[in-house]
Amino acid sequence: EVQLLESGGGLVQPGGSLRLSCVASGFTFSNYGISWVRQAPGRGLEWVSTFSGTGGGTNYADSVKGRFTISRDNSKNTVYLQMNSLRAEDTAVFYCAKAVRDNHPTFDIWGQGTLVTVSS
Amino acid sequence: QSALTQPASVSESPGQSITISCTGTSTDIGAYNYVSWYQQHPGKAPKLMIYDVSNRPSGISNRFSGSKSGNAASLTISGLQAEDEADYYCSSYTSSGTLVFGGGTKLTVL
Repeated sequence: EVQLLESGGGLVQPGGSLRLSCVASGFTFSNYGISWVRQAPGRGLEWVSTFSGTGGGTNYADSVKGRFTISRDNSKNTVYLQMNSLRAEDTAVFYCAKAVRDNHPTFDIWGQGTLVTVSS
Repeated sequence: QSALTQPASVSESPGQSITISCTGTSTDIGAYNYVSWYQQHPGKAPKLMIYDVSNRPSGISNRFSGSKSGNAASLTISGLQAEDEADYYCSSYTSSGTLVFGGGTKLTVL
């Protein structure tokens, strides 16, 4: 079964850091782009970042550029999101999602999400 | 990159059809055929319903269809069922190499 499982969420103070992990199973991980998408409480979806499969490029939303870093370890089937200088407005459920093919900007598999709360 | 524009809510009776609009610009929807639609039930992860404007993933009912004209896209659901009641989000690739979502539409099946 194709699956993504996020972890690493929790409560952090403003200005703090957190690292999220997304472990994949059931597909050839290295062939697919993996993205992070977040959803603030009661709000809509917001794309955060993508790490390409083939090619290995990365991209970020302007709202997180310079603060968040996406990385991947193909030997561990895992994508990470290092989040620094966290702000209250970063509070959200963070989902990782798999590209439908190669580096296509559409997500066919989503994790269950991990909640990040930024508060003092 | 501003969010794509969707109506906040729509409603219709079971068995009827409904169309949800998604308006963008010439740098996102108008520039690429990378428009997708996701369904999200409360407390659940989003589910892909339509990709590349009008393609359905395996297992998605043919009651769901998508189209695009210019800078706008739409999702049509025919033969509405109670289980279709959910939030729906459109998304598009952009000329900046990023992805933008719509604000979401809450569908109520009366």
